Amino acid sequence: AQKITQTQPGMFVQEKEAVTLDCTYDTSDPSYGLFWYKQPSSGEMIFLIYQGSYDQQNATEGRYSLNFQKARKSANLVISASQLGDSAMYFCAMREGRDTGGFKTIFGAGTRLFVKA
Amino acid sequence: SQTIHQWPATLVQPVGSPLSLECTVEGTSNPNLYWYRQAAGRGLQLLFYSVGIGQISSEVPQNLSASRPQDRQFILSSKKLLLSDSGFYLCAWMREDSRNTEAFFGQGTRLTVV
Repeated sequence: AQKITQTQPGMFVQEKEAVTLDCTYDTSDPSYGLFWYKQPSSGEMIFLIYQGSYDQQNATEGRYSLNFQKARKSANLVISASQLGDSAMYFCAMREGRDTGGFKTIFGAGTRLFVKA
Repeated sequence: SQTIHQWPATLVQPVGSPLSLECTVEGTSNPNLYWYRQAAGRGLQLLFYSVGIGQISSEVPQNLSASRPQDRQFILSSKKLLLSDSGFYLCAWMREDSRNTEAFFGQGTRLTVV
């Protein structure tokens, strides 16, 4: 069963504007972690931000923030003040089973972001 | 500082040939290690993960296997490659502390089976 869902195959945003990339997840584990990664055309995976399921506040890292809505099981990535260099593929990921010693981390299908000048 | 090395960067192999991709981590001990495969234009598929030496969990039954002979070494192998094994393979390790969890990826190996 699909556990990480990214419903936007592609997104366009104007330079300097904010954009939200959607991610929903499904798990019965009470302890889990959510990640966002950026993959430019070079193929490397760049870690952006992490949110633990028990964290009370939404994670922020510079221009990146994670809009964590636990009841809705969503973990949307918000990029503020988009830059041309933000054009890339973005992946949402979930790590389950932290409390029980599990370490499986699975990824969504990704969203390709295009930033327009 | 912690680093992760993965090689080779690109590989072209004939069908039926063996495969060995190596991943090593420096600057940490007992890391959780992962192998992923990414088909062109698609997301990452978890293949194997390991929480310690000799401990391998397989997510997808297929033509590949993984081994962890040393604490910071993770190897992806195949005895006989198939055309469908072509893809971009990524090794990763996860760092956790009391404040944060972060995963680091190798540079990836682009495998083409011909």
